[in-house]
Amino acid sequence: DTGVSQDPRHKITKRGQNVTFRCDPISEHNRLYWYRQTLGQGPEFLTYFQNEAQLEKSRLLSDRFSAERPKGSFSTLEIQRTEQGDSAMYLCASSSRSGGSPTDTQYFGPGTRLTVL
Amino acid sequence: KQEVTQIPAALSVPEGENLVLNCSFTDSAIYNLQWFRQDPGKGLTSLLLIQSSQREQTSGRLNASLDKSSGRSTLYIAASQPGDSATYLCAVRGGSYIPTFGRGTSLIVHP
Repeated sequence: DTGVSQDPRHKITKRGQNVTFRCDPISEHNRLYWYRQTLGQGPEFLTYFQNEAQLEKSRLLSDRFSAERPKGSFSTLEIQRTEQGDSAMYLCASSSRSGGSPTDTQYFGPGTRLTVL
Repeated sequence: KQEVTQIPAALSVPEGENLVLNCSFTDSAIYNLQWFRQDPGKGLTSLLLIQSSQREQTSGRLNASLDKSSGRSTLYIAASQPGDSATYLCAVRGGSYIPTFGRGTSLIVHP
């Protein structure tokens, strides 16, 4: 399967701990997005990479959150000193302007569900 | 700031009905609009993407239209089936490529 993958699928942690999530995009995609989704809401944009460059960051992304995309391939999202309000589904998506797919169609991974106790 | 509203929030229909889901947005300066479906506890699956220069896109029983000037898009589902039950989300993307999502329409199609 060559879709977007995320790891882990579920994470339960205690308040104050650090957590790290990984996203592997579709291999030829140069754009990668992170979103957060809570129950009953649409996904909220967190940050966006084009290749290895982080081009946009939402104000939702506090200084406890950091994202990287070394070498423009996989990406990691780290949350330090987790709080109960961080409990949500964290979604990753990738897209590309090249190739046979419609321009800039976003393809989503299955998400990582974070529960902070 | 772009705001996206989806109406209705929830819909329950018998199998076989034709459906219209609505998405409205406040800033008409968009790059594209994408419709997704999301099954409970899962990620999003792309259904249709409409570029700002296009008026509609079709895929199978789905047809999405875009009226940029009025800030509206509709997703038409023909001959609905129980397998269509899911939450349908629209996302609007402006020139900065940052997408804004609506809250979605939760659809139940019962046999």
